[in-house]
Amino acid sequence: QKEVEQNSGPLSVPEGAIASLNCTYSDRGSQSFFWYRQYSGKSPELIMFIYSNGDKEDGRFTAQLNKASQYVSLLIRDSQPSDSATYLCAVNKGGGNKLTFGTGTQLKVEL
Amino acid sequence: DGGITQSPKYLFRKEGQNVTLSCEQNLNHDAMYWYRQDPGQGLRLIYYSQIVNDFQKGDIAEGYSVSREKKESFPLTVTSAQKNPTAFYLCASRGQPNTGELFFGEGSRLTVL
Repeated sequence: QKEVEQNSGPLSVPEGAIASLNCTYSDRGSQSFFWYRQYSGKSPELIMFIYSNGDKEDGRFTAQLNKASQYVSLLIRDSQPSDSATYLCAVNKGGGNKLTFGTGTQLKVEL
Repeated sequence: DGGITQSPKYLFRKEGQNVTLSCEQNLNHDAMYWYRQDPGQGLRLIYYSQIVNDFQKGDIAEGYSVSREKKESFPLTVTSAQKNPTAFYLCASRGQPNTGELFFGEGSRLTVL
């Protein structure tokens, strides 16, 4: 089992729809969770982080964390073509100073 | 402006040559990291350093070496022992040890001819 798993996609959604990106992790001691967006050929940029169970909203983005199910998701409301990118889930394993990344989900927002 | 600077952006190397990728940060962060990304893949950790004069191997350290003589600098050497060095290399720093986000440089794309 991979430490951080994501569906590679591509996930295609129409413009204006909600995009739902999912991530599962294996280490129950994981403390903090991050979503990064990466455009082709560019470096990752932070979208959201979440530490506690529940939802965290920032503009059109909502991160959801369920530690019991070892599951973290990212919802993008009113998806725009500019949201088309690869979304990387990253997890800080318990007690460590390293972030472990999933392989990313490619999102395509279609006109 | 505060940030992370990587150089060069593009680098071509012949087989058997060592190359060094530069990473400099002015964010006053203690922790610095090197990741490798292959096409269609996530980021894999090569080396990281939590403090000056100390560094630890990541998941794929073989064929790579680093140094951390200054807080601001964390260069990565890709040695000839690295069997498949063609990749996109990302340097990052982190302000808060166990919870903070990673700040990335723009990356260095290495191609072995």
